[in-house]
This record gives sequence, C-alpha cells and structure tokens, in this order.
Amino acid sequence: GAVVSQHPSWVICKSGTSVKIECRSLDFQATTMFWYRQFPKQSLMLMATSNEGSKATYEQGVEKDKFLINHASLTLSTLTVTSAHPEDSSFYICSARRTSPRTDTQYFGPGTRLTVL
Amino acid sequence: GENVEQHPSTLSVQEGDSAVIKCTYSDSASNYFPWYKQELGKGPQLIIDIRSNVGEKKDQRIAVTLNKTAKHFSLHITETQPEDSAVYFCAASLVPGGGNKLTFGTGTQLKVEL
Repeated sequence: GAVVSQHPSWVICKSGTSVKIECRSLDFQATTMFWYRQFPKQSLMLMATSNEGSKATYEQGVEKDKFLINHASLTLSTLTVTSAHPEDSSFYICSARRTSPRTDTQYFGPGTRLTVL
Repeated sequence: GENVEQHPSTLSVQEGDSAVIKCTYSDSASNYFPWYKQELGKGPQLIIDIRSNVGEKKDQRIAVTLNKTAKHFSLHITETQPEDSAVYFCAASLVPGGGNKLTFGTGTQLKVEL
C-alpha cells in the first residue's frame, strides 16, 4: 500500500508555455500533499503544502502565481508551472500525507523531470 | 525553524560491512524522524521512521536510533549489499501539530563496493 503516482514522468516544453504535473495517491486518501523541487545532487526543497479544498501554502521565496497548485480531491493534486523558463527546469516531486490513529507518514511520488528549452 | 544536518555527505563501504549515517536537528519540539532512500532519477522511498517516544527501531538489516537529549539520530545498515547504493536522506518534523512538514538533511551518497 501507500502508492503515489506522478504524471508525466518527464516533459520537455518551450519557454513561455505552461506545464501541468499531476500527483495521485492511489490507495489512500490524502488531505495534505506536498510539492518539492530538487536540483542535481541536492536535497529536496519544499515549495508548497497543498490542502484539499483550500488554498495552498507556499514557502518563502516561491512565487504562487508562477507555481499554481490545485488540490481538488482527496487523491489528486496538480502543480502548474506557468510561463515556464529554462531556470524552471528541475526535478519536481510530490508527496502525500497518510494519517491514521497510529501513523502520520509522507509517501513520495516518482518525480517529474521538467526541461524548458 | 528546524535545521537538520547530515553526515557524511559520501560514504563508501565494502559489501557486507555496516554503514552509519548521522543527523542532528535543532528544534527540540520535533517528534518524528523518517529516513528515505533515493535512487537516481526516482522519488524518495521511506525505509524506516522513528518517533520520539522510542529510542531505537529495527527492521531487518536497517535500524534507527534516536537520542532526544542530544538531538541526534542515526541510520544503521548492516550486511550492506550493492543494491543499498543510493542517496539517503534524514528528515525531522512535528506530528500532528506541525502538519508533518518535513525538514530534510543534505543527503548521504552511499556506495557499496564489491
């Protein structure tokens, strides 16, 4: 159990276009999902916390109008990179928070490699 | 906010040897400490976690120890195998009050040599 998927696994786009990345929890419901960005050989940087049915909470320095997050259901959150530029090229990873009376754990998706030309 | 330091940044061991990775955290309120394994080009995979009400947890070849007083925790891998080669990240958070917002260490590249 505790499977999180992301789609697409990789995407190449032209500068100025928008790209949407989907994150799904396949076998559990997640009221909270997180979006991270990871540069080569570096740690994960939290971009925002996505809460089902409410606005996302962005980390300091992350442009909310640039990175649009929608968490419309308990199993799906989307990240849209608007007007993408080469500096937005990165590995984007989502995680879903699974809670129960005995556990509170984040499970990660496989990541999406974004390349902006 | 929370700050997590992780050492070493790289670790090379011979197959069959043990590997130890250490992390320290700054916020004494943190009560949840997971470890993730990340293979190249993939997302992090949870391998073990520990909560602050216990000092040690073991799962087959993997164990984690926690010293709340000193605010540090460690990952121990015994009988290492080539498939253990990956980047390992420690993290700390506060649950449930902190929303399980993870603060990650900088990662350790583990290489298990034949």
